[in-house]
Amino acid sequence: TQLLEQSPQFLSIQEGENLTVYCNSSSVFSSLQWYRQEPGEGPVLLVTVVTGGEVKKLKRLTFQFGDARKDSSLHITAAQPGDTGLYLCAGDPNAGNNRKLIWGLGTSLAVNP
Amino acid sequence: DAGVIQSPRHEVTEMGQEVTLRCKPISGHDYLFWYRQTMMRGLELLIYFNNNVPIDDSGMPEDRFSAKMPNASFSTLKIQPSEPRDSAVYFCASSFLPVTEAFFGQGTRLTVV
Repeated sequence: TQLLEQSPQFLSIQEGENLTVYCNSSSVFSSLQWYRQEPGEGPVLLVTVVTGGEVKKLKRLTFQFGDARKDSSLHITAAQPGDTGLYLCAGDPNAGNNRKLIWGLGTSLAVNP
Repeated sequence: DAGVIQSPRHEVTEMGQEVTLRCKPISGHDYLFWYRQTMMRGLELLIYFNNNVPIDDSGMPEDRFSAKMPNASFSTLKIQPSEPRDSAVYFCASSFLPVTEAFFGQGTRLTVV
């Protein structure tokens, strides 16, 4: 069974700090998605990474896909209270006819003003 | 498009009662997913449909759970009889392909007392 492990599980920081959260697996994924879920809402896609070693930036958020396509990281620079939420990664294992996303458990981020 | 629409937003019911959750996917999306989210288990895929046909229901916990998609614009998830351990947030999502961006509804928070 392919798994995606996210770390840390919880993170509480002050406004202005930098942080990195991780999404790791022992399996290869053909692509990986990052979602943010705010309280009382459904997850919303932030980015999809496809190529090993790929780096994508979304304002203060930097996403990286590992060279072997087994892991990914999300770095937030100068975090703001609006970044608070649950960050989920989801991978496409591209295996078999029944293709579906594999989800991590998420990192819950709280940015305190 | 208004996005994925779920109803009700909140449901409180007594153990043993039947619960029906409803979902209207985004028009043009061929895939519809039902997820359950809890703190302990994260986001779990219960079942997904392709063009109104159930493809994978391996995540459905037991026979008390059933899902239907009578047409491209409507799906239901039914729990009968409900139990306290069914308490969770249930999400419906839709997408063009099974592993492309999933668009989530706002979820239904179910409490079984």
